[in-house]
Amino acid sequence: SAVISQKPSRDICQRGTSLTIQCQVDSQVTMMFWYRQQPGQSLTLIATANQGSEATYESGFVIDKFPISRPNLTFSTLTVSNMSPEDSSIYLCSASPWGAGTDTQYFGPGTRLTVL
Amino acid sequence: AQSVTQLDSQVPVFEEAPVELRCNYSSSVSVYLFWYVQYPNQGLQLLLKYLSGSTLVKGINGFEAEFNKSQTSFHLRKPSVHISDTAEYFCAVSGGAQKLVFGQGTRLTINP
Repeated sequence: SAVISQKPSRDICQRGTSLTIQCQVDSQVTMMFWYRQQPGQSLTLIATANQGSEATYESGFVIDKFPISRPNLTFSTLTVSNMSPEDSSIYLCSASPWGAGTDTQYFGPGTRLTVL
Repeated sequence: AQSVTQLDSQVPVFEEAPVELRCNYSSSVSVYLFWYVQYPNQGLQLLLKYLSGSTLVKGINGFEAEFNKSQTSFHLRKPSVHISDTAEYFCAVSGGAQKLVFGQGTRLTINP
């Protein structure tokens, strides 16, 4: 398995500002992912964070709104840009460790974002 | 493309009673199946997974699930629940492209 931490754990932000969320894994991993969980909803994949190259975004998510970095095999950031109240959600990072088995993902505790 | 349907949005049960949380999937390719649990104000924890082999999969906290290919189901069961099992449970499917598709979740409430 993998132990994943996220910073910050929660934040309250003003409309129009940006927030960067950090995700740290305790071991090298093959894949890292970012998800959004809107209030009372399930998880929706935002993008796959690729090490050393641009992230791969899912339909409905764009790089200008959710820029992602992955500078190495244990760390990634997600920025939520020009925020609006509709961005209020929990943002979760996940990772697939080496040897974990196909498609197995482990999740961080999430970042609870409230936009006023 | 894959999709997941969790048939019950909420399941209330009494403590020490058995429980089954239902999950059906749709896919045109072979799938890998997962159950995750989310305790209040926490991230997701992997309960169990089916990748191949035996169709009965045992996970943590006494949970198990059975993969039924003909019925495209992956129902989660526990013979006797505890108050601490109160949580949101998510079924997820992957078609091998390392992308998980989640169901809408089932809120399990345990009553004393």
